[in-house]
Amino acid sequence: QSALTQPASVSGSPGQSITISCTGTSSDVGGYNYVSWHQQHPGKAPKLMIYDVSNRPSGVSNRFSGSKSGNTASLTISGLQAEDEADYYCSSYTTSSTVVFGGGTKLTVL
Amino acid sequence: QVQLQESGPGLVKPSQTLSLTCTVSGGSFSSGGYYWSWIRQHPGKGLEWIGNIDDSGSTWYNPSLKSRVTISVDTSKKQFSLKVRSVTAADTAVYYCARGTNMIDWGQGTLVTVSS
Repeated sequence: QSALTQPASVSGSPGQSITISCTGTSSDVGGYNYVSWHQQHPGKAPKLMIYDVSNRPSGVSNRFSGSKSGNTASLTISGLQAEDEADYYCSSYTTSSTVVFGGGTKLTVL
Repeated sequence: QVQLQESGPGLVKPSQTLSLTCTVSGGSFSSGGYYWSWIRQHPGKGLEWIGNIDDSGSTWYNPSLKSRVTISVDTSKKQFSLKVRSVTAADTAVYYCARGTNMIDWGQGTLVTVSS
């Protein structure tokens, strides 16, 4: 299975909004509404930020939102804050009943 | 809040078997519908899904690792385990356990180094 495609890096200034894309195929992202987004700070375990394309777990800021169009899912962070600087990974369920991750995106808050 | 904790040797010799256990606390383990996952992260790299298991013992594996990996579950102990056979230096990574295919909750991770 091939990894989902994410931009290697994105950046934004405090208060701005950024969007991270996650492109797959009809066998994963496009085929199911089971896309998740995970935030990982250096040296820490990942944390689930969005599941099932657009749902936020309890405790996750509403500045984080998710969407999907066709084979591409997106994570948007609004009102960017310094604490949002981290690596972000998308993941998707696949037609093989497996899970595939994206390569990860490093978010820099300028 | 469900908590997960990985445990096992931090150093494994090449060609041997890597064995890790994940202990789950703070919530229901086998009330039905849960999947338990293993994920790894090579040093400085991205996340790689290894496989998962449901509470009936059905398993699904990453095709690239399927021939060397076994995941098992012990519901009475609220644990699930990972074995990776015939390890090489390329299996050196931080190994995480997690709850669900969404990976709702993650363990803190454990570094396993393959070296003689």
